[in-house]
Amino acid sequence: EAQVTQNPRYLITVTGKKLTVTCSQNMNHEYMSWYRQDPGLGLRQIYYSMNVEVTDKGDVPEGYKVSRKEKRNFPLILESPSPNQTSLYFCASSPGVAGVSDTQYFGPGTRLTVL
Amino acid sequence: KQEVTQIPAALSVPEGENLVLNCSFTDSAIYNLQWFRQDPGKGLTSLLLIQSSQREQTSGRLNASLDKSSGRSTLYIAASQPGDSATYLCAVPKTSYDKVIFGPGTSLSVIP
Repeated sequence: EAQVTQNPRYLITVTGKKLTVTCSQNMNHEYMSWYRQDPGLGLRQIYYSMNVEVTDKGDVPEGYKVSRKEKRNFPLILESPSPNQTSLYFCASSPGVAGVSDTQYFGPGTRLTVL
Repeated sequence: KQEVTQIPAALSVPEGENLVLNCSFTDSAIYNLQWFRQDPGKGLTSLLLIQSSQREQTSGRLNASLDKSSGRSTLYIAASQPGDSATYLCAVPKTSYDKVIFGPGTSLSVIP
């Protein structure tokens, strides 16, 4: 089944404890992206990647890191999480060889709480 | 800086009604516009994607139009059903290599 998977789905952690949220797609998509969704602020893009080893900042990249060593994986890294990073996170991918020229497919989301 | 708004923020209609959701964007230099549906606690599902050179796209009971010059897109839902209840979001990238900006969404409730 073609899909975008994220792990973990739910995570409660404490301030400063490094964490990684994994994202994987099995559709051989070129484009991948991370978003966060907050009440009243909507969905905002954190980072995106056009292809392996190519990443760019979205609207809210501060406090996050990403890597794209393989086409299928795009992990989101929080080196020192803070409470303001408590949010619902979504990974997405798109087949477009020219960036986000095609439909984006979203993962199920990761609900992160930082205490 | 691109800003995307959606009107109304929430909408409640009886089953069977036709309805229109609106999406406005401030910078008409968009690459495409995509409409999504989000069910509570779930991820987003793509409904329709309109390329900047297109005027509209249709899928089943859904029809999306795009007017770049006026910075507007509408999503028309015909013969609404309770299963259409969800939040509907629009999203635009400036170019295929640029970041994607989402609207705040319209929460739709279709009453049986």
